[in-house]
Amino acid sequence: QQQVKQSPQSLIVQKGGISIINCAYENTAFDYFPWYQQFPGKGPALLIAIRPDVSEKKEGRFTISFNKSAKQFSLHIMDSQPGDSATYFCAASTGYSGGGADGLTFGKGTHLIIQP
Amino acid sequence: DVKVTQSSRYLVKRTGEKVFLECVQDMDHENMFWYRQDPGLGLRLIYFSYDVKMKEKGDIPEGYSVSREKKERFSLILESASTNQTSMYLCASLTGTYGYTFGSGTRLTVV
Repeated sequence: QQQVKQSPQSLIVQKGGISIINCAYENTAFDYFPWYQQFPGKGPALLIAIRPDVSEKKEGRFTISFNKSAKQFSLHIMDSQPGDSATYFCAASTGYSGGGADGLTFGKGTHLIIQP
Repeated sequence: DVKVTQSSRYLVKRTGEKVFLECVQDMDHENMFWYRQDPGLGLRLIYFSYDVKMKEKGDIPEGYSVSREKKERFSLILESASTNQTSMYLCASLTGTYGYTFGSGTRLTVV
């Protein structure tokens, strides 16, 4: 499995602002791109996911933007709230129909702090 | 809701010990995974399994083995624990096409 590069490593955003986390990948066979949210002491939880046949997916305040030609995807958190403070991981895998049945390749994570 | 249970939250073991980390899921899922999580390195896949008695190596299988005798239980085995295996270990079950459900993790310290 090839690397997924995630940036920034840490991010501080004011309450109500937009949080943006970016990921880039190399393997053009990747066809499933989820984002996970992890709170201290907990396992990661699926936040939102996208396939490469769409350029954007929105669920509430969370949006994934996907640029297939650039091999990049990003997470936008609108109207960021203190409760969004967590570590966020992007990931990628092949075999969308299996939803990552052969395992996900994760980015290294972004520690997000939303200041009140 | 799918539940993935890891039997221990914290473990302290000595170098050279054989260590078993247990994971149980309650939804009859076929696919289960073991990851380790280290600061600044994200989650790295150790082993995964498609079904009972099936196993596949992930990215970092060296020093580990797994056992899946029953569908609901997936065990990670450290044959001879070493200090560089001190880490957070996360088990996950694949919930169809809707992503993984992770357990809360086992923080293993090898001294």
